[in-house]
Amino acid sequence: ELKVEQNPLFLSMQEGKNYTIYCNYSTTSDRLYWYRQDPGKSLESLFVLLSNGAVKQEGRLMASLDTKARLSTLHITAAVHDLSATYFCAVGLGTASKLTFGTGTRLQVTL
Amino acid sequence: ETGVTQSPTHLIKTRGQQVTLRCSSQSGHNTVSWYQQALGQGPQFIFQYYREEENGRGNFPPRFSGLQFPNYSSELNVNALELDDSALYLCASSDMGLAGANEQFFGPGTRLTVL
Repeated sequence: ELKVEQNPLFLSMQEGKNYTIYCNYSTTSDRLYWYRQDPGKSLESLFVLLSNGAVKQEGRLMASLDTKARLSTLHITAAVHDLSATYFCAVGLGTASKLTFGTGTRLQVTL
Repeated sequence: ETGVTQSPTHLIKTRGQQVTLRCSSQSGHNTVSWYQQALGQGPQFIFQYYREEENGRGNFPPRFSGLQFPNYSSELNVNALELDDSALYLCASSDMGLAGANEQFFGPGTRLTVL
């Protein structure tokens, strides 16, 4: 059974600081997704990573994928308050594109 | 291009009742997946429909059932509601025919409360 683990579960960081969220998964996969969720809202797609070594950047967020290590990272550069949300990684398996989500990382950026 | 829509937004039911949730997929998408997200947890895969057929199912009991219609919209039905069914139910649409990503786009969700 595929397991997806994120750490940390909760992250409080000051504006302007950098930090990384880690996503480990237990079974080989070549599809890794990052989503953002604001309280009471749905999931917003951030990144789709499809191959080993893939790196994508959007604004202050950068995601990477190492399929050999079964690890993805979401790096936050110079955090701002607007980035406060819960971030989920999700791993896709098979043609059914069933997604298995991580536990989520609740990010709180303080002024 | 129309995004994924869900109805209703909120719903309150009592134990033992039955509920139907609806989802309209994004224009051009032929696949709908349903997820249950309990408070403070990540979404859990319920099942997926592709061209009106079930195409994968998670660890949910048979009282969770679904349908997909020719226009690719979908319904999630839950019978004999239990308190633990209280959750945000998310529908996601994707294009199975698109090689590669099968990226899923999520609707706004239906918040179900079972009393």
